[in-house]
Amino acid sequence: RKEVEQDPGPFNVPEGATVAFNCTYSNSASQSFFWYRQDCRKEPKLLMSVYSSGNEDGRFTAQLNRASQYISLLIRDSKLSDSATYLCVVNMGSGAGSYQLTFGKGTKLSVIP
Amino acid sequence: DADVTQTPRNRITKTGKRIMLECSQTKGHDRMYWYRQDPGLGLRLIYYSFDVKDINKGEISDGYSVSRQAQAKFSLSLESAIPNQTALYFCATSDPGGADTQYFGPGTRLTVL
Repeated sequence: RKEVEQDPGPFNVPEGATVAFNCTYSNSASQSFFWYRQDCRKEPKLLMSVYSSGNEDGRFTAQLNRASQYISLLIRDSKLSDSATYLCVVNMGSGAGSYQLTFGKGTKLSVIP
Repeated sequence: DADVTQTPRNRITKTGKRIMLECSQTKGHDRMYWYRQDPGLGLRLIYYSFDVKDINKGEISDGYSVSRQAQAKFSLSLESAIPNQTALYFCATSDPGGADTQYFGPGTRLTVL
């Protein structure tokens, strides 16, 4: 059973393009949601948290749809430096002190000159 | 200086050997984690610790043990390494007040022959 499922990659896009990734999660009681970025052979790093109202950070926009249990990441005006693997992460724990951070397998993005 | 450090960064060992991977952090976080990453499988949680006296099994704890020697140190042991434990291992820390954002170390690449 796949608890956090992401679009299969790789996505190959030209510079300047807009690209969107989707991620679905299985537990409707999930509490918090994140997108992490992982460069090749490096550690994952937080890109942005995802809030119920949606949130934007520069060229990046994240949205949450609780009813359909999916989150999305939109990257506008893609740069070569955006090339990486993007990990969808969901905390499926409930209640104080619980922890069930589940990582998706990641979607690889390659931005082409 | 890195906030989360891991030693060794690379290790090649033989089946049956005992291996210890070490993690240190200067972020002052109480929570620490060990993950492994395999191609096509994403990050999976091995063990986690919410404070020095707290140790919890993750999704794939069989064949592993941990020790939380201090707030800043969390080590992972493979008592008798086997080839399917070949993987990239990450240590991470988090602050529950920061929505448990994971701060990862640079990773240890372990090969078991």
